[in-house]
Amino acid sequence: NAGVMQNPRHLVRRRGQEARLRCSPMKGHSHVYWYRQLPEEGLKFMVYLQKENIIDESGMPKERFSAEFPKEGPSILRIQQVVRGDSAAYFCASSYSGAEYQETQYFGPGTRLLVL
Amino acid sequence: AQKVTQAQTEISVVEKEDVTLDCVYETRDTTYYLFWYKQPPSGELVFLIRRNSFDEQNEISGRYSWNFQKSTSSFNFTITASQVVDSAVYFCALSGLIQGAQKLVFGQGTRLTINP
Repeated sequence: NAGVMQNPRHLVRRRGQEARLRCSPMKGHSHVYWYRQLPEEGLKFMVYLQKENIIDESGMPKERFSAEFPKEGPSILRIQQVVRGDSAAYFCASSYSGAEYQETQYFGPGTRLLVL
Repeated sequence: AQKVTQAQTEISVVEKEDVTLDCVYETRDTTYYLFWYKQPPSGELVFLIRRNSFDEQNEISGRYSWNFQKSTSSFNFTITASQVVDSAVYFCALSGLIQGAQKLVFGQGTRLTINP
């Protein structure tokens, strides 16, 4: 009964490169959420996706960040032209159903992104 | 807007002491959900409990107990007879059914250190 899987666990990028973070939800879950944890801060919501749809991206920075959850395969959080301020832990969570039932979100182990 | 306040940034106690972590929330939703998550030194986020706004019964799970009081908008977490393994950052979170559905709003976290 695998939980939420994220890879890589650690990612180092130089300024200007692209970062791709992957998330496989728990088995049977079709709702994915991404959160960002900046150093010494709490977690902040970024985006909520269902298969092939972005439901709520109100927490996503307007530029350089994008997310997808294709019909097949993991959800991807993509950061283009990374800057030092993007260094953070990025957590993915998944739930069984959506807003109507307000299911518990179960989190993955996170990806620690370090931008040099 | 929804907001969660964990006023205690850090708490340090000696093993076997009882410790209470405070959580105060703000929301205009009539239906909402409250959560506690634990983030041990290894970095993952572990789900502890979920309560809905209509259920004010206190809950006990082993050494853990939660006190939900709508009158004071608080959802406090008590660890009885603390152990070194309880050392972690604990996050309280809020999610509304109507406003910002499926978007967890986290407090800043309380870093709990249990000393042997």
